[in-house]
Amino acid sequence: RKEVEQDPGPFNVPEGATVAFNCTYSNSASQSFFWYRQDCRKEPKLLMSVYSSGNEDGRFTAQLNRASQYISLLIRDSKLSDSATYLCVVKTDSWGKLQFGAGTQVVVTP
Amino acid sequence: DTGVSQDPRHKITKRGQNVTFRCDPISEHNRLYWYRQTLGQGPEFLTYFQNEAQLEKSRLLSDRFSAERPKGSFSTLEIQRTEQGDSAMYLCASSLGLTNTEAFFGQGTRLTVV
Repeated sequence: RKEVEQDPGPFNVPEGATVAFNCTYSNSASQSFFWYRQDCRKEPKLLMSVYSSGNEDGRFTAQLNRASQYISLLIRDSKLSDSATYLCVVKTDSWGKLQFGAGTQVVVTP
Repeated sequence: DTGVSQDPRHKITKRGQNVTFRCDPISEHNRLYWYRQTLGQGPEFLTYFQNEAQLEKSRLLSDRFSAERPKGSFSTLEIQRTEQGDSAMYLCASSLGLTNTEAFFGQGTRLTVV
C-alpha cells in the first residue's frame, strides 16, 4: 500500500464550478501536510499548508481529518488557470521526508 | 536567482554511461532532498540530507546511485551504468527542515537514457 494515495482523476470542471478531492495517508504519526501544484513538465510548487483546524487561501480550502487520515482540497469558482496536477504531501515529523501522492489532475474547461 | 538550481536541465546519455547531476539549494536551507518523477506519477523519494549527513536512502536508490553533499551546501547525484529505466525527471528540493515549512523545488534534470 502506498503511503499517500490520491484519485488520479482527471476531474473535468466547468469554469466557475467547485471541485473537491481527497488524499489518504497511511502513517498515523504524520504531522505536516501540504498541497502542491504541478503544471505540465514543471516543478511542484507549494499551494498551501494544511492545518488541523482547516484553512482557506482565497478560493482554496484545505481540510485535515486525522481520525480518518485524509486531507481534502476544495477549489471554488474554478479558473482556467487552475488546470494542473495537485499533489498531496505528507511529512512524518521535522526529521522526516516528504512523501508525495501520485497527484490528482484537474482540467478546467471554458 | 535565489531559488534551488539544478544542472544540467536536460541530459541524454547512452545506456551504460555514468551521469552526474548537481543541485544548489537555497543558501540557508539545511535540508536537501532528491526525488525522481516519471510520467503520470508523483515525485518518488530517493534520499535526503540534513547538512552534510545523508539521513535516509530509499530502496529505489540501488547501488548504482550515489548522492553526496560534502560541505552541506550543494549536492550531487551520480548514476553509474545507466539503464533505460533510469529515464526520468530528477528533482532536488531544499527546506529549513522544520515542521510545517515548505520545500522548494528546482526545475529538475530530465534524463533520457537511449
